[in-house]
Amino acid sequence: SQQGEEDPQALSIQEGENATMNCSYKTSINNLQWYRQNSGRGLVHLILIRSNEREKHSGRLRVTLDTSKKSSSLLITASRAADTASYFCATGGLTGGGNKLTFGTGTQLKVEL
Amino acid sequence: NAGVMQNPRHLVRRRGQEARLRCSPMKGHSHVYWYRQLPEEGLKFMVYLQKENIIDESGMPKERFSAEFPKEGPSILRIQQVVRGDSAAYFCASSPPGGSSGNTIYFGEGSWLTVV
Repeated sequence: SQQGEEDPQALSIQEGENATMNCSYKTSINNLQWYRQNSGRGLVHLILIRSNEREKHSGRLRVTLDTSKKSSSLLITASRAADTASYFCATGGLTGGGNKLTFGTGTQLKVEL
Repeated sequence: NAGVMQNPRHLVRRRGQEARLRCSPMKGHSHVYWYRQLPEEGLKFMVYLQKENIIDESGMPKERFSAEFPKEGPSILRIQQVVRGDSAAYFCASSPPGGSSGNTIYFGEGSWLTVV
């Protein structure tokens, strides 16, 4: 398995429900970021959490980071149809290399009306 | 404030031809990254460049692929003698000077290469 694996691979929920996606990684990190990608489009940065942070909020998004378990979760509350997209976690390493990120395989979220 | 600009958005090439993908970073950004996304997969790092320098090309295939970021003009990802397996979305990203881990990097909309 590779650095940054999301779970589940696919998630289908009803509008208004919460969506939780998990990400596991292998090596030590400096930070972890979550991105959204609509079909056929580029990546939109959602949130960055540093290795010394445990939880971060941004609007309807809540991200947690557990470095002891090498895992992170993304919670989207009160989901909307417009949240339908693929969500990726990406880790930034401790060594040099600027902001080289390692991406997971993504969770495809579908929010139905 | 324009974001990361990539062109072309879509490119079709026959096997054996060359593909050139361009990327203009966000204003004020001097660090450029190229990633490749195969169908139904996540993004894979290819190369990290600063102006006139390749900093990390650990993700670049050994042959046929090259990248540059000249002093003037956009960054170019060049794929020579394309094969069907090169069909993918190629994303460029940029970040501000300093390049310390923890800065957000901003992605372009991608260039979709189809090799026929």
